Amino acid sequence: EAGVTQFPSHSVIEKGQTVTLRCDPISGHDNLYWYRRVMGKEIKFLLHFVKESKQDESGMPNNRFLAERTGGTYSTLKVQPAELEDSGVYFCASSPLVSSQETQYFGPGTRLLVL
Amino acid sequence: EDQVTQSPEALRLQEGESSSLNCSYTVSGLRGLFWYRQDPGKGPEFLFTLYSAGEEKEKERLKATLTKKESFLHITAPKPEDSATYLCAVLTGGSYIPTFGRGTSLIVHP
Repeated sequence: EAGVTQFPSHSVIEKGQTVTLRCDPISGHDNLYWYRRVMGKEIKFLLHFVKESKQDESGMPNNRFLAERTGGTYSTLKVQPAELEDSGVYFCASSPLVSSQETQYFGPGTRLLVL
Repeated sequence: EDQVTQSPEALRLQEGESSSLNCSYTVSGLRGLFWYRQDPGKGPEFLFTLYSAGEEKEKERLKATLTKKESFLHITAPKPEDSATYLCAVLTGGSYIPTFGRGTSLIVHP
């Protein structure tokens, strides 16, 4: 069974540019989460989709970040315009929609560097 | 606010030298505690979930234990391939969003 995949693995952009990150969850997983790890800090929650609906976006830092999950399959996270402080590793995770299943399975991450 | 603290930040061991990693938490209503392993350039890989004080889980050279205030990840006779960052995360109350610690970076020398 394929795991969570993310694209690109790395992205280097200049301040003010736009970047779009993509996440493909494990097939059949209705829960999809975005996280970010800034250097030296812990992994922090950004938002949560259940199928195509945003369940919780309390962790989104500001309105420069836009997440979508059209059709309830893959998700994209767009940063526009990017700022220096957006640099970090963006992880996606997924889990089945079963109340007893709380383990999340993570993708390899996208390493974003904003210059 | 929920807090998760992992110690030490970094640990160097010789192959075969057993040790323990600590994850202490200050939370209200612990519902579950997770241990993940993360290799360089990769995402966190799930290891264990613990739900109640006194619970223990094992996988190869790793054993995770849980008390009311902390969890330990015991590594018995580690090998170089056990080198990685080990992350702890907790679920509390009715939330499904884990709170992570900063991790312990483990290096095992041959």
